[in-house]
Amino acid sequence: GAGVSQSPSNKVTEKGKDVELRCDPISGHTALYWYRQSLGQGLEFLIYFQGNSAPDKSGLPSDRFSAERTGGSVSTLTIQRTQQEDSAVYLCASTRWGQETQYFGPGTRLLVL
Amino acid sequence: GENVEQHPSTLSVQEGDSAVIKCTYSDSASNYFPWYKQELGKRPQLIIDIRSNVGEKKDQRIAVTLNKTAKHFSLHITETQPEDSAVYFCAAVDQAGTALIFGKGTTLSVSS
Repeated sequence: GAGVSQSPSNKVTEKGKDVELRCDPISGHTALYWYRQSLGQGLEFLIYFQGNSAPDKSGLPSDRFSAERTGGSVSTLTIQRTQQEDSAVYLCASTRWGQETQYFGPGTRLLVL
Repeated sequence: GENVEQHPSTLSVQEGDSAVIKCTYSDSASNYFPWYKQELGKRPQLIIDIRSNVGEKKDQRIAVTLNKTAKHFSLHITETQPEDSAVYFCAAVDQAGTALIFGKGTTLSVSS
């Protein structure tokens, strides 16, 4: 079946602009996660959605970052007033209810000039 | 919160040698420990995982060991091949299961 997909694959933007990154999880997966991977670094947790529960936003680095998940499926990560330090690969992952294995998407490579 | 330390940051071995990567975690409530392999420009892929009720798990050339008392776990790759070259990440997740906390990664280079 289809894996986790993300769009766009690459995004170049100017400092101060807003960007939206999209994640389509595997069909039937109830949990969705966003991570950020800066160059040469590990993966940093950003936000977690589980079904219809309130999201865990504890990893969001600032109030410029927000995320939504509509209909329990597609998720959008929004970064407002982008800064150069926001440049990174943003990865999305999903899991099936009751399981821990997270399946990652290919990521969106964001470059803020 | 959980903190995961991973060593070494880089590891170079000759083809056929073994490679060992070690991780420690801080939250004694953590009960799931996956290892991911990430090739250049690709997404992380799960290669093996272990749960806290198991001390060791093996899958062909890959094995993971877990020491709950010491709060550390290790990845062992035997008979390494050039295609094993990649960045390897360990991770831990707590009982809440909210997120994976990753180590900073180990860049493994296998030379032929």
